[in-house]
Amino acid sequence: EVQLVESGGGLVKPGGSLRLSCAASGFTFSSYSMNWVRQAPGKGLEWVSSISSGSSYIYYADSMKGRFTISRDNTKNSLYLQMNSLRDEDTAVYYCAREERSGYFDPWGQGTLVTVSS
Amino acid sequence: EIVLTQSPATLSLSPGERVTLSCRASQSVSSYLAWYQQKPGQAPRLLIYDASNRATGIPARFSGSGSGTDFTLTLSSLEPEDFAVYYCLQRSNLWTFGQGTKVELK
Repeated sequence: EVQLVESGGGLVKPGGSLRLSCAASGFTFSSYSMNWVRQAPGKGLEWVSSISSGSSYIYYADSMKGRFTISRDNTKNSLYLQMNSLRDEDTAVYYCAREERSGYFDPWGQGTLVTVSS
Repeated sequence: EIVLTQSPATLSLSPGERVTLSCRASQSVSSYLAWYQQKPGQAPRLLIYDASNRATGIPARFSGSGSGTDFTLTLSSLEPEDFAVYYCLQRSNLWTFGQGTKVELK
């Protein structure tokens, strides 16, 4: 069974940093691109970042460029999101999602909540 | 950035009714559009990809159509478990989501 389990969320002050992790199992992690998607409380979905299977191609949504860094460790079947200079508006549930061959996200993890507040 | 606009924002319906949800793109995305369902407290689930292809395990009552800038998700007959929020997603130029349509019980 394909599983994605996020961790690392929590409460952080504005301007602070946090590193999210996503542990993958049940599939050949090194063969798939992976993504982060977030959802602010009561709001819609927002794509955050994408990384190709070998880390050669990395993309970010404009509002995250320069503050967030996506990475992966294929030896540990893990995806990461380093978030710096956090703002109140970064408060959200952060999901990791596998990018299918079709280019869409499936499946998703259960998400980890990041709260940015003083 | 490609903007996806979903309509309506909310639909109040009864089980058994036919549902039509709309997603309009600010520029052509060809057929690179997917639909997701999200229930409270759960991660989104892929329903339709490339505009009209049902994902694995998705019931036949879900269907998608459209190309270019106008897309539709149709539920032929609402089941109780279909009350949820539905999002469209384009992958023509990076990825962007629509703002969602909530299908609620009337």
